[in-house]
Amino acid sequence: GENVEQHPSTLSVQEGDSAVIKCTYSDSASNYFPWYKQELGKRPQLIIDIRSNVGEKKDQRIAVTLNKTAKHFSLHITETQPEDSAVYFCAASTSNAGNMLTFGGGTRLMVKP
Amino acid sequence: EAGVAQSPRYKIIEKRQSVAFWCNPISGHATLYWYQQILGQGPKLLIQFQNNGVVDDSQLPKDRFSAERLKGVDSTLKIQPAKLEDSAVYLCASSEGGEQFFGPGTRLTVL
Repeated sequence: GENVEQHPSTLSVQEGDSAVIKCTYSDSASNYFPWYKQELGKRPQLIIDIRSNVGEKKDQRIAVTLNKTAKHFSLHITETQPEDSAVYFCAASTSNAGNMLTFGGGTRLMVKP
Repeated sequence: EAGVAQSPRYKIIEKRQSVAFWCNPISGHATLYWYQQILGQGPKLLIQFQNNGVVDDSQLPKDRFSAERLKGVDSTLKIQPAKLEDSAVYLCASSEGGEQFFGPGTRLTVL
């Protein structure tokens, strides 16, 4: 089955700096890659996703890049703010419908004011 | 639009006891998922329903876990008997062909 590795497990940045989280996946058939943000004690919420026919996607301060050849994808957050502090999870799916997600282990991002 | 509802929010039981969780998905969502999230890890899919049929339950420990979605709406997840390693947050999610929306989860502690 699919295996998703995520790193780093923790990331501390100064407010205003950029943060990058990287994930690798094992199943070359995977074609949908969402990113979820989970604040302490709360539910995961989708922040951005990318499909295999696209190499990069941006939404304001957040961007995701995908390298299908190398089987890795990354989340980039620019101009970080304290409210970006949370745990971020990447995931992969072989279904265009977004079903059957396999999640990475998570990255705890801490943005210091 | 109301989100995914789950109950109870917290449950503490002793090992070998039984426990059940309930989930009410977003209205109209045909697909429902149960995930187990152990502290410090990402969610792990236990079972996926499409309407009232099981799509994938390959990671469900069937000797102790069971789930049903009889009328294709609400779902229950049961653990019988519970083990210490079942301590986790159990998340329910629903979708309609796209983004998965998660409920608040049930935090289970097995003593």
